[in-house]
Amino acid sequence: NAGVMQNPRHLVRRRGQEARLRCSPMKGHSHVYWYRQLPEEGLKFMVYLQKENIIDESGMPKERFSAEFPKEGPSILRIQQVVRGDSAAYFCASSQGTSGLDTQYFGPGTRLTVL
Amino acid sequence: AQTVTQSQPEMSVQEAETVTLSCTYDTSESNYYLFWYKQPPSRQMILVIRQEAYKQQNATENRFSVNFQKAAKSFSLKISDSQLGDTAMYFCAFMKHRVGSEKLVFGKGMKLTVNP
Repeated sequence: NAGVMQNPRHLVRRRGQEARLRCSPMKGHSHVYWYRQLPEEGLKFMVYLQKENIIDESGMPKERFSAEFPKEGPSILRIQQVVRGDSAAYFCASSQGTSGLDTQYFGPGTRLTVL
Repeated sequence: AQTVTQSQPEMSVQEAETVTLSCTYDTSESNYYLFWYKQPPSRQMILVIRQEAYKQQNATENRFSVNFQKAAKSFSLKISDSQLGDTAMYFCAFMKHRVGSEKLVFGKGMKLTVNP
């Protein structure tokens, strides 16, 4: 059973370009979460999605950032007009979405570097 | 808002020894979950152990166990018989037990080094 897949693993963008990060959840998982990790920091929640729905986007910056989880295909985190402060590791996690203890399993992360 | 505090930024231990990592949290929720995640140099986040707040019994996974003190809002991780592969960043995390609020709140992490 493949784990959570993220690609690319490393992404380099120049200021002003767009970054698209992809996440395929574990088989059987219908809930996806995105977190950001700045250097020397813990992970910070960004957004929680289910298929075709955004459930909680309280951690998303108001501008330039968007996320989707379509009916078919991976979840996408999109960052428009990137700035140097967007340089970070972006982690995706998935869970089954069952009631009770619903553990999140993480992907390997995408390391975004903005030049 | 929930907060998670890991007050020790760094620790080192000799191989085969036991080490305890501390974590405290603040919440007004009565039902919630607590986790320890490990992040080795590969940067992959790996679940170590989890605890449901309504369970009084402390969770155990092989060499890893927790000391969960609900009244004190404390959730420490004990690693027995430390191995070189335990060298990593360790993050304590909190999650509400409420539908639609499944986000994890992480502490800043603690760097553990196991020396040969």
